[in-house]
Amino acid sequence: ETGVTQTPRHLVMGMTNKKSLKCEQHLGHNAMYWYKQSAKKPLELMFVYSLEERVENNSVPSRFSPECPNSSHLFLHLHTLQPEDSALYLCASSQGASNSGANVLTFGAGSRLTVL
Amino acid sequence: AQKVTQAQTEISVVEKEDVTLDCVYETRDTTYYLFWYKQPPSGELVFLIRRNSFDEQNEISGRYSWNFQKSTSSFNFTITASQVVDSAVYFCALSEAPPNTGNQFYFGTGTSLTVIP
Repeated sequence: ETGVTQTPRHLVMGMTNKKSLKCEQHLGHNAMYWYKQSAKKPLELMFVYSLEERVENNSVPSRFSPECPNSSHLFLHLHTLQPEDSALYLCASSQGASNSGANVLTFGAGSRLTVL
Repeated sequence: AQKVTQAQTEISVVEKEDVTLDCVYETRDTTYYLFWYKQPPSGELVFLIRRNSFDEQNEISGRYSWNFQKSTSSFNFTITASQVVDSAVYFCALSEAPPNTGNQFYFGTGTSLTVIP
């Protein structure tokens, strides 16, 4: 079992729904990340949390709202999404400061989101 | 401009053939890190290797080898005697750590490798 667990693995939602993605890491890492993976595109960094504080927000629309209640848990709250938001959402964690280029990211298996 | 280019979108090889996955990167930093990750059908990206910009020594790990050449800004990955289990999407990534801006990771678009039995 991977050290980073994501739930749910699959989610289908309508554009007016509110749902949340959950990520939990069991590695004792202190930085967590949300990435979006769309077909034929590079992975897009959405949010970075270091020591439970958000340190990166790559111009992500406000319909995506992250929450990091502690260093082991990360949520992505979804509201009023668009069909183009359908993608695989990957959570990752790393040890060490988020401003260290040497970080090795440990990824979860992802949550496959489909917006109808 | 794209920081990491993986020009090969899809590659198919017959089992036991050798295959090289290309990665070209772009950076102005003198200190940076390069990575390869494997994404099997299960979804999670699995870390394979990390190299820093000051270490151009090639590395071999079993059937995997990596060729880092700063002169051509390339970090290519070769699988020798490929196996069906090697079928996956492989991502090359660049990490920069410019002062005061936090870690920046850039991933390529990935190369989908299919090994045919």
